[in-house]
Amino acid sequence: AQTVTQSQPEMSVQEAETVTLSCTYDTSENNYYLFWYKQPPSRQMILVIRQEAYKQQNATENRFSVNFQKAAKSFSLKISDSQLGDTAMYFCAFREGGNQFYFGTGTSLTVIP
Amino acid sequence: ETGVTQTPRHLVMGMTNKKSLKCEQHLGHNAMYWYKQSAKKPLELMFVYNFKEQTENNSVPSRFSPECPNSSHLFLHLHTLQPEDSALYLCASSLAGQGRSPLHFGNGTRLTVT
Repeated sequence: AQTVTQSQPEMSVQEAETVTLSCTYDTSENNYYLFWYKQPPSRQMILVIRQEAYKQQNATENRFSVNFQKAAKSFSLKISDSQLGDTAMYFCAFREGGNQFYFGTGTSLTVIP
Repeated sequence: ETGVTQTPRHLVMGMTNKKSLKCEQHLGHNAMYWYKQSAKKPLELMFVYNFKEQTENNSVPSRFSPECPNSSHLFLHLHTLQPEDSALYLCASSLAGQGRSPLHFGNGTRLTVT
């Protein structure tokens, strides 16, 4: 069965610093897709970044980037130049070709002024 | 505008009431989802609809009854709920069978059962 593990329930970072959130997953498939979602206190789940497993290049979106290690089944999110608005729950998610998404339990990130 | 709209934003209901949650998406998607998010618990998938056909029912109690009249609309009918059903209910949509298509979420309905 596919599982997604986020081992850091809570993290904090100083404003303007860099933080990395970890995510590991388990699958026997070779082709799949990985996502990071952000859920601020307003509770809207927002897509942060997406990675296709067949692509070796790590995805980047402005201050957000991933470190995708397919062999290790690891998909960490790096937030550079952290801002107060980055304070939120972050969820790692996994999808194969079907309609099922698998979510991790989330990491609560607090950016400290 | 998120593309996925949920109403109401907040709902308080007694255990004997009947109410419905509504979700509408304007993204041209054909797969729609209901998730339950409780405090200190992982996101729980409840139902998945693919082209209006239910493809997943994750052992959800019958007091939750989904309805998907078309690919753009999704309802969750609630009756005789329990206090432990209090949670944030999230609707989401995606393109069916296209793995790179992410979920797009609504703002959720905060449900309180008294």
